[in-house]
Amino acid sequence: KAGVTQTPRYLIKTRGQQVTLSCSPISGHRSVSWYQQTPGQGLQFLFEYFSETQRNKGNFPGRFSGRQFSNSRSEMNVSTLELGDSALYLCASSLPWTGLNSPLHFGNGTRLTVT
Amino acid sequence: AQKVTQAQTEISVVEKEDVTLDCVYETRDTTYYLFWYKQPPSGELVFLIRRNSFDEQNEISGRYSWNFQKSTSSFNFTITASQVVDSAVYFCALSADTGANSKLTFGKGITLSVRP
Repeated sequence: KAGVTQTPRYLIKTRGQQVTLSCSPISGHRSVSWYQQTPGQGLQFLFEYFSETQRNKGNFPGRFSGRQFSNSRSEMNVSTLELGDSALYLCASSLPWTGLNSPLHFGNGTRLTVT
Repeated sequence: AQKVTQAQTEISVVEKEDVTLDCVYETRDTTYYLFWYKQPPSGELVFLIRRNSFDEQNEISGRYSWNFQKSTSSFNFTITASQVVDSAVYFCALSADTGANSKLTFGKGITLSVRP
């Protein structure tokens, strides 16, 4: 079974631009969540989508948004990029009906560099 | 609020040594889950183990073992006879009864280097 696929692997953008990252979950997984990883703040939860609805959200500004499609694929968008948005963005999928017991399966991430 | 503390930041051992990675957590919820993830240089977080708050039974799986103690809010992870391939960053994480199983609170991670 294919794992979580994130595209692209690397991105370089300039301040003020916007960017869209893509995530394809493991087949059959309907919950997709996003995390930001930086050296200073570590791994931080961005948001989670299930059945095309945002189910939970972390403490990030409104410039960070996402969506989920009917096939469970998800996209994350960051508008008006800032230098501090440079990070590894990780997507994870899981089987939501097993509740808290469901482990997350992560992709390799998208490395975003803002110059 | 949830919090996970991994006081160790970097550990370096020689191959075949045993190594224990410490994790201390804080939560007011009575139902919660604890996880360990491994992040090799490729970047992907690999799930290792999960434990729920009602199961303090410790476990050994091959070279890995876990010690969960609610009394001290600790969930430590031990690798016996370490190997070079164990070199990675190890994260402890907590998921509490927030109604959304995917919201994990991670520790800062421990960089483990195993030298030949």
